[in-house]
Amino acid sequence: NAGVTQTPKFRILKIGQSMTLQCTQDMNHNYMYWYRQDPGMGLKLIYYSVGAGITDKGEVPNGYNVSRSTTEDFPLRLELAAPSQTSVYFCASSYSRGAGANVLTFGAGSRLTVL
Amino acid sequence: DQQVKQNSPSLSVQEGRISILNCDYTNSMFDYFLWYKKYPAEGPTFLISISSIKDKNEDGRFTVFLNKSAKHLSLHIVPSQPGDSAVYFCAAKGNNDMRFGAGTRLTVKP
Repeated sequence: NAGVTQTPKFRILKIGQSMTLQCTQDMNHNYMYWYRQDPGMGLKLIYYSVGAGITDKGEVPNGYNVSRSTTEDFPLRLELAAPSQTSVYFCASSYSRGAGANVLTFGAGSRLTVL
Repeated sequence: DQQVKQNSPSLSVQEGRISILNCDYTNSMFDYFLWYKKYPAEGPTFLISISSIKDKNEDGRFTVFLNKSAKHLSLHIVPSQPGDSAVYFCAAKGNNDMRFGAGTRLTVKP
């Protein structure tokens, strides 16, 4: 029972490079999320998806893109990496019908450094 | 805009005593509030939640209190144990998203 799996765990990028953070879940959750955690700033929502083919912007979407072609996968694309994107990225998923607490299950995180 | 705020970055308590972590929010449309616990190098894990129509929810050593008029909630841990040492995040459920506070690092000293 893997839950939410993120790859890679660590990555160093040069300014201007691009990369994709992968996220997959095996719980048949309909909702998926990408957050970034900066020191002292908590978790900021980048993008989320309420189902395959549907994505929406969160609090800090600039510089990122997402897609949700399947229920299981929710990759996060960084185009033209900048030092401001140095952060720890967390993918999460949940099963929600709108009502209820909507408890998120998180992956272990991906630490990205842009130099 | 910071819709969920945890104004205390850290808290230190003695083992066996009560830990109280606080959280304030600004959006009255949030319908659920949750607390997550995070250890280093791991993702946050769910601890306890409360509906906006309740004022208290208890689960073992953990109790969450909600004061809607003050837009304030708190997490009480009693008795505190060294294994509770972690970063605690307050979260609020909106329309389709989930907003988090900055976190409070709790240290429980033996």
